[in-house]
Amino acid sequence: AQKITQTQPGMFVQEKEAVTLDCTYDTSDPSYGLFWYKQPSSGEMIFLIYQGSYDQQNATEGRYSLNFQKARKSANLVISASQLGDSAMYFCAMRGRMDSSYKLIFGSGTRLLVRP
Amino acid sequence: NAGVTQTPKFQVLKTGQSMTLQCAQDMNHEYMSWYRQDPGMGLRLIHYSVGAGITDQGEVPNGYNVSRSTTEDFPLRLLSAAPSQTSVYFCASRTVRYQETQYFGPGTRLLVL
Repeated sequence: AQKITQTQPGMFVQEKEAVTLDCTYDTSDPSYGLFWYKQPSSGEMIFLIYQGSYDQQNATEGRYSLNFQKARKSANLVISASQLGDSAMYFCAMRGRMDSSYKLIFGSGTRLLVRP
Repeated sequence: NAGVTQTPKFQVLKTGQSMTLQCAQDMNHEYMSWYRQDPGMGLRLIHYSVGAGITDQGEVPNGYNVSRSTTEDFPLRLLSAAPSQTSVYFCASRTVRYQETQYFGPGTRLLVL
């Protein structure tokens, strides 16, 4: 069975500081993809970053980077230079490449609040 | 470029009523899906489609029907609404080829009384 665990229900960070949101996963698929989505208070799901299990380098997208540690089965999201607009729910998700449904398995999310 | 669109944004139903949530995408994506999001939880897959005329069940399909007559549209039907179907519904699409990213619509908030 596939599972995503996000152990931080809520976090605070000071504006302009970096923050790490934790994500661990469990899967028996030899090939898989890991995603992070942002859900602001308006409710939409915004794709942030993707990491393939066989990618040699950690993914980066602007101020977002994914700290991928395959042996530990962790895929933490790092946000550098936090901004007030980063306040939102953040979801880690996974897709096993063997799953023909293309289903994303989501964690329960972490609510991030950026303090001015 | 509209991406994934959903209508309505909000809906209130009485128990036993039926309704259809609309979803459309203009990216020519083969794959479309419906998720529901309950409080304090991530999203769970209801139904999905890998192309016109092809649909299949996800994790939580009971009480919902789908059809895919065109590449662009993927409506979700609630046959007889129940309070347990109160949730936020998201439609998503992606290509089945190289890129992995799934694009989500803005969501539909449904309240069943």
